[in-house]
Amino acid sequence: KAGVTQTPRYLIKTRGQQVTLSCSPISGHRSVSWYQQTPGQGLQFLFEYFSETQRNKGNFPGRFSGRQFSNSRSEMNVSTLELGDSALYLCASSSGDLGLQYFGPGTRLTVL
Amino acid sequence: QKEVEQDPGPLSVPEGAIVSLNCTYSNSAFQYFMWYRQYSRKGPELLMYTYSSGNKEDGRFTAQVDKSSKYISLFIRDSQPSDSATYLCAMSPPGAGGYNKLIFGAGTRLAVHP
Repeated sequence: KAGVTQTPRYLIKTRGQQVTLSCSPISGHRSVSWYQQTPGQGLQFLFEYFSETQRNKGNFPGRFSGRQFSNSRSEMNVSTLELGDSALYLCASSSGDLGLQYFGPGTRLTVL
Repeated sequence: QKEVEQDPGPLSVPEGAIVSLNCTYSNSAFQYFMWYRQYSRKGPELLMYTYSSGNKEDGRFTAQVDKSSKYISLFIRDSQPSDSATYLCAMSPPGAGGYNKLIFGAGTRLAVHP
């Protein structure tokens, strides 16, 4: 099976802009979770989508949003970018059982 | 205090050594425990997972969970240079839909020298 894919792999934006990141889960997986990874805060959970519905949400401001499509593909959007949003954004998919999440390679976002 | 504590290292060992990586946690309700390996500039790769207390072995890797002490460990036997990576522990809180909301430790950087 193909793994989790994320596009783009690298992105450079300036403060105030918005960005959309995309994630395609492993075939058959209906759950997609998003995480932010930074050197200072480590890996932090953003939100999870299951069958097009947000099922879990982490402690991030409303500038961070997401959605899931009927084919389980997911997008994450960050509006009004701040310097502190520079991070590796990771997507993980799961069949829904026991939290066995499989991660993609991530999108490295740099905000200038 | 963080819910999951993990020494960030770095940990440097010679090839062939036994490596012990550990995490402690504060929430006694955690039930699912995972170890991920992350190479530089890659996404985390699921290595091991255990449910509740006990041991689980997979090749050179052994995962241990001691719920009474709120302590989990990953042992790597006969370590190889290819094991050089960051190792992250992760835990899953209980509750409906909580399984996919993982809480990670800071990660321990491991370097295995030939």
